[in-house]
Amino acid sequence: GDSVTQMEGPVTLSEEAFLTINCTYTATGYPSLFWYVQYPGEGLQLLLKATKADDKGSNKGFEATYRKETTSFHLEKGSVQVSDSAVYFCALSDNDMRFGAGTRLTVKP
Amino acid sequence: NAGVTQTPKFQVLKTGQSMTLQCAQDMNHEYMSWYRQDPGMGLRLIHYSVGAGITDQGEVPNGYNVSRSTTEDFPLRLLSAAPSQTSVYFCASSYSRATNEKLFFGSGTQLSVL
Repeated sequence: GDSVTQMEGPVTLSEEAFLTINCTYTATGYPSLFWYVQYPGEGLQLLLKATKADDKGSNKGFEATYRKETTSFHLEKGSVQVSDSAVYFCALSDNDMRFGAGTRLTVKP
Repeated sequence: NAGVTQTPKFQVLKTGQSMTLQCAQDMNHEYMSWYRQDPGMGLRLIHYSVGAGITDQGEVPNGYNVSRSTTEDFPLRLLSAAPSQTSVYFCASSYSRATNEKLFFGSGTQLSVL
């Protein structure tokens, strides 16, 4: 079945560093792709999404491009802040949302 | 807007006990779902519903029951709790089951089964 694989963490960066979290997917159809973020003690919330190939989702300085040729949806941010510390989940939807294992990001001042 | 409300936030059970996790949403969403979150495994779908009176199984349904008598409520029942059901449980909803719809999540229930 459809699935998502994302880079394992944890990832620790200094403030203002560049962030990449890799995500690849396996799908038989044409899923939508998502990045969700989970702050401590909270539920997941949508960070960004892309619904078709070559679409770029963006929000709060984060970006990800739906690459059908490489079946990828890598998350990037040019300059991370301490407030970006959270767990990030890549997900695809083929009617039901399927999540990757999550990547914990810690940003140090 | 309250969004998706889950209760309780924390629960400790003994093996064999039963309990119900409550979930309610006030956004008139058709689609509601339950996930469990385990370390290193992300979120896995337990059960889902596409409307009142309609439920179906997800990836890991064994040991759990659900019902959907109203649009707003989607309780998850553990009939006989087992230590393997120790996890964090999230309820989520969306306008529909369409592939491009985002999910709105509750704040979770941390369950420990001793």
